[in-house]
Amino acid sequence: DIQMTQSPSSLSASVADRVTITCRASQGIRNDLGWYQQKPGKAPKRLIYAASSLQSGVPSRFSGSGSGTEFTLTISSLQPEDFATYYCLQHNTYPRTFGQGTKVEIK
Amino acid sequence: EVQLLESGGGLVQPGGSLRLSCAASGFTFSNYAMNWVRQGPGKGLEWVSTISGGGGSAYYADSVKGRFTISRDNSKNTQYLQMNSLRVEDTAVYYCASADTLAFWGQGTLVTVSS
Repeated sequence: DIQMTQSPSSLSASVADRVTITCRASQGIRNDLGWYQQKPGKAPKRLIYAASSLQSGVPSRFSGSGSGTEFTLTISSLQPEDFATYYCLQHNTYPRTFGQGTKVEIK
Repeated sequence: EVQLLESGGGLVQPGGSLRLSCAASGFTFSNYAMNWVRQGPGKGLEWVSTISGGGGSAYYADSVKGRFTISRDNSKNTQYLQMNSLRVEDTAVYYCASADTLAFWGQGTLVTVSS
């Protein structure tokens, strides 16, 4: 199985900060990776697909990069509505695997 | 607009069974794989199962293999998850998600396994 190691597990940041979250795959997954945002009590929402493509309707302050084994989600200027938990997901092979999640909290 | 609506969750005793449904609209259902993902209380996301667009291929997490069965009815734009031999650790919100890439998600249905 492919392990997805996501870091950090949590972070505290202020509005307007730049935030970076990383996922590392235990083996190469090309660009078969998505990033999701989940707010308490709500379903996950996809932000990024194919590692770096912005989902329609998602603000441009979100961006993704990487290929192979190293991937990054960046929020260029954190907004109040961005405080949430973020997950990466690899869909290169079965079983599909998620990162452990990164909780972004208000400093 | 893609819409996914899960139903069928509830309270069941250990060893019992439950069938979840996910009704889809807003896209050509038969063209896309469909998935189930779950989230235990206070935990992260766990992929459960995927079924191909035609229904001929299915994949399962080891934690549910042999107990859960995924299926779909393309004439009804609906997928299902038959859950047998339920365990306390199967307690979770179950989400359906569309496509190989898990592009869109439903709002989830809660399954509680408890005596």
